[in-house]
Amino acid sequence: GNSVTQMEGPVTLSEEAFLTINCTYTATGYPSLFWYVQYPGEGLQLLLKATKADDKGSNKGFEATYRKETTSFHLEKGSVQVSDSAVYFCALTWGGSEKLVFGKGTKLTVNP
Amino acid sequence: EADIYQTPRYLVIGTGKKITLECSQTMGHDKMYWYQQDPGMELHLIHYSYGVNSTEKGDLSSESTVSRIRTEHFPLTLESARPSHTSQYLCASSERPVGGYTFGSGTRLTVV
Repeated sequence: GNSVTQMEGPVTLSEEAFLTINCTYTATGYPSLFWYVQYPGEGLQLLLKATKADDKGSNKGFEATYRKETTSFHLEKGSVQVSDSAVYFCALTWGGSEKLVFGKGTKLTVNP
Repeated sequence: EADIYQTPRYLVIGTGKKITLECSQTMGHDKMYWYQQDPGMELHLIHYSYGVNSTEKGDLSSESTVSRIRTEHFPLTLESARPSHTSQYLCASSERPVGGYTFGSGTRLTVV
């Protein structure tokens, strides 16, 4: 079945470090891919998305490129801030589905 | 500004009590979802609805029930709360999953 695998955390970085959170997927056809962010005590917010191969989603300095050849959608940011500390979820959906499939989440802590 | 509202944000309740977690959205979305989030962060789909009078059980078996009498309202009820129900409950809605979900801020339930 369709699934998402993302790197296990927790991830701890210093401010201004480079961030990569890996996400790979298994899906038939051409899924749409998402990254969500959950700040402490909050629900999830859509961070970025990509709906077809080679699309790049971007928002708030974060980027992810839909790579069909490697079935990946890795999240990157060039310089993290303390305020980026949160849990990040990779997710996918596919044509005809009414649901999103989520990864298990990766907790990021950024220290000053 | 949130377009999907969950109340209460926090609830501490005794074992055996009946509780209803409220979820309302103002976006006119047909599809709504309830997730249970464990302390390890993973999201588990427990209920979903494709529209009025439509409810389905999700991937994780739950003793809770839901109803969808109005498009905007998707409450979750526990007839007899137990400590094992202690968790965060997240409500979400979507127009089309390929557009992503909008999440509420969640209800953190503690059963003592």
